[in-house]
Amino acid sequence: EAGVAQSPRYKIIEKRQSVAFWCNPISGHATLYWYQQILGQGPKLLIQFQNNGVVDDSQLPKDRFSAERLKGVDSTLKIQPAKLEDSAVYLCASSQSGANVLTFGAGSRLTVL
Amino acid sequence: GDSVTQMEGPVTLSEEAFLTINCTYTATGYPSLFWYVQYPGEGLQLLLKATKADDKGSNKGFEATYRKETTSFHLEKGSVQVSDSAVYFCALSDGGGSARQLTFGSGTQLTVLP
Repeated sequence: EAGVAQSPRYKIIEKRQSVAFWCNPISGHATLYWYQQILGQGPKLLIQFQNNGVVDDSQLPKDRFSAERLKGVDSTLKIQPAKLEDSAVYLCASSQSGANVLTFGAGSRLTVL
Repeated sequence: GDSVTQMEGPVTLSEEAFLTINCTYTATGYPSLFWYVQYPGEGLQLLLKATKADDKGSNKGFEATYRKETTSFHLEKGSVQVSDSAVYFCALSDGGGSARQLTFGSGTQLTVLP
């Protein structure tokens, strides 16, 4: 089966600019996650969707980060305006509803200058 | 809240050496435990898992046993290969139903030299 697709793989922007990342999960996976992985750290959950509804966004910095999954399939994560500390790899993952095994995409590496 | 503590790296071994990467956890419930591996330039891949106490997860020669009494899930392999060079993450999942999430440790970089 096709894996979790993410784009772009790399993005370099200046602080205060905006950026958007796209994720296409595995077909049939109802649950979608966005994780932030800062260099040298483990991934940290930003937001979890179940179909097109938000299950948990408690760790999403809502003053600058937003995410949507309008049709319950693809998802977009946006950062506006970006800060230097947002430099990280943004990982998208998906799973079947209620499953505890996640499949991760290759990630989108963001560098904020 | 839930947390995972991993042995700090980096770890450098010679081919065919024995590997242990320590992992301990703190959780309020009865979590499932996982090891994920991240090869250079790739996303995280599930290596093995265990869902209850005394379960042993195994895959590709790697093993880990869920020890509830010591809240540990140490990763072991008897003879590492150069191709095992990667970052290894211990993780737990403590949610039920549709709220299952993963809490990760900070990762351990493994380099295996020929």
